Amino acid sequence: KAGVTQTPRYLIKTRGQQVTLSCSPISGHRSVSWYQQTPGQGLQFLFEYFSETQRNKGNFPGRFSGRQFSNSRSEMNVSTLELGDSALYLCASSSQGAETQYFGPGTRLLVL
Amino acid sequence: QKEVEQNSGPLSVPEGAIASLNCTYSDRGSQSFFWYRQYSGKSPELIMSIYSNGDKEDGRFTAQLNKASQYVSLLIRDSQPSDSATYLCAPASSGGSYIPTFGRGTSLIVHP
Repeated sequence: KAGVTQTPRYLIKTRGQQVTLSCSPISGHRSVSWYQQTPGQGLQFLFEYFSETQRNKGNFPGRFSGRQFSNSRSEMNVSTLELGDSALYLCASSSQGAETQYFGPGTRLLVL
Repeated sequence: QKEVEQNSGPLSVPEGAIASLNCTYSDRGSQSFFWYRQYSGKSPELIMSIYSNGDKEDGRFTAQLNKASQYVSLLIRDSQPSDSATYLCAPASSGGSYIPTFGRGTSLIVHP
């Protein structure tokens, strides 16, 4: 099976812009979770989508949003970018959500 | 708030030695745990999961879970330079909504 894919791999934006990241899960997986990873805060959970519905949400502001399509592909959007949003954004897929997650390679976002 | 604590390290061990990585957690409802390995610049990959008290062995890796002490560890026998990475501990859901919480990880360096 193909693994989790994420696009783009690298992105440079300026403050105030918005960005959309994409994640394609492993075939057959219905759960997609998004994480932000920074050196200072570690790996932090953003949200999880399952069958096109947001099932769980972490403690991030409303500027961070996401959605999931009927084919389980997911996108996350960050509006009004801030310097502190510079991070590695990872998505992970699993068949049901609470068990083993398989991570994609990540999108490295730099906000200038 | 669920807390997962790991010593950030770095933990430095010579090649061939046993590396011991530890993790404590605050949520007594956590029933199972995952250990992920993350190489520099890469995404996390699952290396071990443990669902019950006691030890679980998989090749050179042994995970140990002590629910009474809220403590989980990962032992790596015959450590190799290729084991040099950051190791993340993550408890699974304790029921209800699943908000994944990862430790900040322990950096392991295995020197020849």
